[in-house]
Amino acid sequence: EDQVTQSPEALRLQEGESSSLNCSYTVSGLRGLFWYRQDPGKGPEFLFTLYSAGEEKEKERLKATLTKKESFLHITAPKPEDSATYLCAVRLVTTDSWGKLQFGAGTQVVVTP
Amino acid sequence: EPEVTQTPSHQVTQMGQEVILRCVPISNHLYFYWYRQILGQKVEFLVSFYNNEISEKSEIFDDQFSVERPDGSNFTLKIRSTKLEDSAMYFCASSGPSGAPWDEQFFGPGTRLTVL
Repeated sequence: EDQVTQSPEALRLQEGESSSLNCSYTVSGLRGLFWYRQDPGKGPEFLFTLYSAGEEKEKERLKATLTKKESFLHITAPKPEDSATYLCAVRLVTTDSWGKLQFGAGTQVVVTP
Repeated sequence: EPEVTQTPSHQVTQMGQEVILRCVPISNHLYFYWYRQILGQKVEFLVSFYNNEISEKSEIFDDQFSVERPDGSNFTLKIRSTKLEDSAMYFCASSGPSGAPWDEQFFGPGTRLTVL
């Protein structure tokens, strides 16, 4: 069965303390790995799409990387406003499916001043 | 910046009642989706919709569920006879300004459905 696993489940950081979140996947037919940010009671907010191993994308203090079996979201010098749940999702393309996203459980990040 | 909107933000209903959740996708998008998230659980795919028909649906999306694009802007999810286990946050998403289904999906703020 296709799996998307995120670790750690929760992460507590001091402001300025850099760290990385992991998303590992055991799927076939991967056509894109997506990172979203979700604030409590809100919808997922798109951050990045990665398509091929070795690809990297950056946005402010966030940087996403992709290998053949996992992706990392690096948070550099985080601020309290980076506190959120970060979701990883993969898009699978098969003969029966082309668009649905399969989400991981997320990593809840809390950044304290 | 264009965004997906959803109404209502919170819907409370009695078990067995019908509910309609409404979404306005981003205007130049061609692919539309519904997902749901039960409290404390993963975001789960329900259905995708393209060219006025369902493209794919999950096992969750049984005969109690239906989707419709009644006009050029709205996209609705109907649950015919709600169950307690339908209580969840329902998210609409859209993608495909380039006509490709693999474009990133943008999500709305969600409708919290509470079934009593």
